[in-house]
Amino acid sequence: EVQLVESGGALVQPGGSLRLSCAVSGFSFSGHWMDWVRQAPGKGLEWVANIKYDGSEKYYVDSVKGRFTISRDNAQNSLYLQMNSLRAEDTATYYCSRHLEDLGQGTLVTVSS
Amino acid sequence: DIQLTQSPSSLSAFIGDRVTITCRASQGMRRGLAWYLQKPGKAPKRLLYDASTLQSGVPSRFSGSGSGTEFTLTISSLQPEDFATYYCLQYDSYPRTFGQGTKVGIK
Repeated sequence: EVQLVESGGALVQPGGSLRLSCAVSGFSFSGHWMDWVRQAPGKGLEWVANIKYDGSEKYYVDSVKGRFTISRDNAQNSLYLQMNSLRAEDTATYYCSRHLEDLGQGTLVTVSS
Repeated sequence: DIQLTQSPSSLSAFIGDRVTITCRASQGMRRGLAWYLQKPGKAPKRLLYDASTLQSGVPSRFSGSGSGTEFTLTISSLQPEDFATYYCLQYDSYPRTFGQGTKVGIK
């Protein structure tokens, strides 16, 4: 059974940083692209970033370029999202996803003073 | 960027109704389009991918079609568990983009 468990969400002040983690099991992590998707409270879904199975390619939505960094550790079966210079509009539930097929239950990030 | 526009934004239907949701792309696409269902407080669940391929385990009352700039999701006979919000997603190009969602409610 595919499992994706996000962690690291918290309340953070504008301009602050946060690192999200996603622990995966139930599939060959090193063989799959991985994505982050977010959803602001009461709003629709927004794709954030993805990373190739070996980490050699990364793509981002324009609104997070230069602020967020996606990474992975295939030895630890883990996906990460380093978020810097956080803004109020980054407030959302962040979902980890196996190639946009399966999504975890999400972790809430709130950016507020 | 490819913009996706879903219609309608919301609808009300009876159990057993046939329901169709449309997703229009701002430019022509190949077939990199998926449909998701999301219930309140839950993660989205993928129903179809490559425009018309049913995800394993998803009931056959769900079907997808389309190409180019217009894609449709059809539920042949609406069931109580289908009341939810539906999203289309394009993965033909970067950045990946979602439609704004269609909320399906009970009439």
